Amino acid sequence: QQQVKQSPQSLIVQKGGISIINCAYENTAFDYFPWYQQFPGKGPALLIAIRPDVSEKKEGRFTISFNKSAKQFSLHIMDSQPGDSATYFCAAREDTGFQKLVFGTGTRLLVSP
Amino acid sequence: KAGVTQTPRYLIKTRGQQVTLSCSPISGHRSVSWYQQTPGQGLQFLFEYFSETQRNKGNFPGRFSGRQFSNSRSEMNVSTLELGDSALYLCASSFPGQGGDGYTFGSGTRLTVV
Repeated sequence: QQQVKQSPQSLIVQKGGISIINCAYENTAFDYFPWYQQFPGKGPALLIAIRPDVSEKKEGRFTISFNKSAKQFSLHIMDSQPGDSATYFCAAREDTGFQKLVFGTGTRLLVSP
Repeated sequence: KAGVTQTPRYLIKTRGQQVTLSCSPISGHRSVSWYQQTPGQGLQFLFEYFSETQRNKGNFPGRFSGRQFSNSRSEMNVSTLELGDSALYLCASSFPGQGGDGYTFGSGTRLTVV
């Protein structure tokens, strides 16, 4: 059962453009929504995260937009750079005190020079 | 500081064999979680250990098991390997209760079953 749906599966953006990745969830018990970046041969690394009490969080060129009523959240990468080329995963976690994350299926981003 | 260390990095096993993967968490981290990553399914939660006890388990068959030692190092074992067990197995450690921001993944063990 896929609890977090992520789209698109792959994305090609020109250098300097905006990359947008979307995720949707069903479980209203989720209370923490991180985004991970993964390069080939490496494990996922936390990029940015948000909790449902805010609608937007920005860290440098990366912004999460969160729509609680629609149960959707998205990652925006401004001024995309070739070094941003990686696979991005959205995830969600229930407030149970445990660390179990439910991941989206990933988006492979390619930023062309 | 040292990150999460997973050994070995690569493994090739034959169907029916068993395998043990190791994870050394970041110093001070006492919670260790395991995930299976495949191209089709993405990252799937296997289990979480804290203080040598399994606190949470994902929807995997009993062939998948794990344990945690008193120094927080963890191992996972897969018995009677199947071709479909070929995957990248990732370990993540954190301080319990720190919240997801403290979740750090290792680089994984790439298991190939032939």
